Amino acid sequence: GIQVEQSPPDLILQEGANSTLRCNFSDSVNNLQWFHQNPWGQLINLFYIPSGTKQNGRLSATTVATERYSLLYISSSQTTDSGVYFCAVERPTQGGSEKLVFGKGMKLTVNP
Amino acid sequence: DGGITQSPKYLFRKEGQNVTLSCEQNLNHDAMYWYRQDPGQGLRLIYYSQIVNDFQKGDIAEGYSVSREKKESFPLTVTSAQKNPTAFYLCASSIDGQAPLHFGNGTRLTVT
Repeated sequence: GIQVEQSPPDLILQEGANSTLRCNFSDSVNNLQWFHQNPWGQLINLFYIPSGTKQNGRLSATTVATERYSLLYISSSQTTDSGVYFCAVERPTQGGSEKLVFGKGMKLTVNP
Repeated sequence: DGGITQSPKYLFRKEGQNVTLSCEQNLNHDAMYWYRQDPGQGLRLIYYSQIVNDFQKGDIAEGYSVSREKKESFPLTVTSAQKNPTAFYLCASSIDGQAPLHFGNGTRLTVT
């Protein structure tokens, strides 16, 4: 099956720093999503980004599907950005149904 | 407000007992999903449903069962056949199988 690799696995930042999270995937995908899981376990959808670039406040994401990677940028990080960031990709399956495959996540800690 | 409600938040059971986790959504989404998350791991798909009265196995369906009798409800039963049931269970939905995924707040199941 498709492999999703996220890097770095862990990152510690001081508040105000910028960071880039990378997601590599092993096969062609129909779509890609980024999620943030807060320390209480809640998962929030950050971006739905099959290709191109999107921005939402201090966060932006770029997916280059032809080269099988996506990047999530966090600028001017805040303590509330702490948590685990997941990349998930969609792949076609038998019968045309789509299923998301998640990477193992990247734990971000932002210190005040 | 529209959203996905999972209940209960915490659940404790004795080994050998079946247990059912509730998931209700009022977003009018067609697709619903169940994921399992173990500590330090990504999410793994248990079952998903694209329409009422139809569902498909995910990557780790053994020991689990689901039903989709109503569009808004997708309960998951963890049976005694599931060898390692202690985990964090997340329910999700999307407008269709290719749209952004939205998650409930999860149920932490502990089996002793």
